[in-house]
Amino acid sequence: DQQVKQNSPSLSVQEGRISILNCDYTNSMFDYFLWYKKYPAEGPTFLISISSIKDKNEDGRFTVFLNKSAKHLSLHIVPSQPGDSAVYFCAAFSEYQGAQKLVFGQGTRLTINP
Amino acid sequence: SAVISQKPSRDICQRGTSLTIQCQVDSQVTMMFWYRQQPGQSLTLIATANQGSEATYESGFVIDKFPISRPNLTFSTLTVSNMSPEDSSIYLCSVNPTLNEQFFGPGTRLTVL
Repeated sequence: DQQVKQNSPSLSVQEGRISILNCDYTNSMFDYFLWYKKYPAEGPTFLISISSIKDKNEDGRFTVFLNKSAKHLSLHIVPSQPGDSAVYFCAAFSEYQGAQKLVFGQGTRLTINP
Repeated sequence: SAVISQKPSRDICQRGTSLTIQCQVDSQVTMMFWYRQQPGQSLTLIATANQGSEATYESGFVIDKFPISRPNLTFSTLTVSNMSPEDSSIYLCSVNPTLNEQFFGPGTRLTVL
């Protein structure tokens, strides 16, 4: 049962254009969402997050949008740069009876073409 | 933030053997997490390790297969026991020094022949 889904395994975008990565979730108890970026041979690094009380969070070139009614979030990168080429993971944070865990999507491989 | 190191960074092992992966954090943390990322899959939580208590395993993971030690607040080990090719994965250690914030180690890439 995949509670967090990234339906696009890969995405290719021209340098300077906008990259939009999508993520859907099924568990309405999730209240905090994160995006991670992963380069080959490295661990995931935190990129940006959003709480369920907000619908938008912006940090420089990165903006995350949350649509709770649709259980959907997206990460916008603008303008896209070659260094943004990586695998992006969406994750949902849950806490239940004192146990915390992150549930990850499958990842989307973003390639920025010069 | 937290700086996390893992040893080994990668290994190739024979079927039936065991490998112990070490995770070292540069600060004291209460909770440490072990994840697995199988080829082409998302990161899956194996277990949560608190210092001074037994690890809590997620569904599908058992202590006999993945014993975990947590001797102090900066260190943990994960052992992959009696390995098979299906255990070939990247194993990642992570910590969350503050609520809603989680940092990952560089991972250990395991190949089982």
